[in-house]
Amino acid sequence: GQQVMQIPQYQHVQEGEDFTTYCNSSTTLSNIQWYKQRPGGHPVFLIQLVKSGEVKKQKRLTFQFGEAKKNSSLHITATQTTDVGTYFCAVQGGSEKLVFGKGTKLTVNP
Amino acid sequence: DAGITQSPRYKITETGRQVTLMCHQTWSHSYMFWYRQDLGHGLRLIYYSAAADITDKGEVPDGYVVSRSKTENFPLTLESATRSQTSVYFCASRGRVADTQYFGPGTRLTVL
Repeated sequence: GQQVMQIPQYQHVQEGEDFTTYCNSSTTLSNIQWYKQRPGGHPVFLIQLVKSGEVKKQKRLTFQFGEAKKNSSLHITATQTTDVGTYFCAVQGGSEKLVFGKGTKLTVNP
Repeated sequence: DAGITQSPRYKITETGRQVTLMCHQTWSHSYMFWYRQDLGHGLRLIYYSAAADITDKGEVPDGYVVSRSKTENFPLTLESATRSQTSVYFCASRGRVADTQYFGPGTRLTVL
C-alpha cells in the first residue's frame, strides 16, 4: 500500500531558528495534506497541496509540493514557542484512506 | 469545535473486559475513521467507513470491531481488551475523498 516517509522524526530548535520537515513518496501523489498536533491535542488540518511545484504560505509557514509530486516540505521561519507540536503529512492511500507519515515532533527552546 | 466528539475522553479498564469508544459527528460526513496513536508509530488506521453500513479494515484491525448503523455515529469496540491496546484513540470524519479530515479530541485508554 501507499507509504510516505517523513523526516526528521524529532527536531529541537532555539526560538527564532528555522525548521523544516520533509515527506517523500516512491510514487506520484495526487495531493498531500499537512496537519499539526499540539501536545495533548488532536491533529488539525493545515493545508492541502495539489499542483506540481505548488508553494503556499501561511504567515511563517511555507509549504511546497515537488515538481514530480513525490515529495513535499513544510518550512517554518523564525520559530516561536507556539509552533511546538508534531507535524504530519498525509497522502491518499487508495481511493478512500489517508496515509499519515510518522510525524516530526518539534520542540522550541525559548 | 463540537462537530466531532468522542466519549469517554479517558478510560481505564482491565484485561479481558469489553470496551466501547463512541464517536459522533454532526456534519453528515460520509467517511469516518478510527486511528490509534502510539509513540513511534504515528497515526495508524484501525477501521474506516465510507457510509452507513459500510466498513472496512485499516492497517491494525485485529482485536477491534466497528459498526455504523447511522451516518453520525461510529463506535469502536474492543471485545476483550489487552494491554497492547493501551493507546490514544482518535476518531475522524471527512465529507469526500480529497476533503479535509477532521479529528475528534481523542480517547486515552489504559488497559491494566
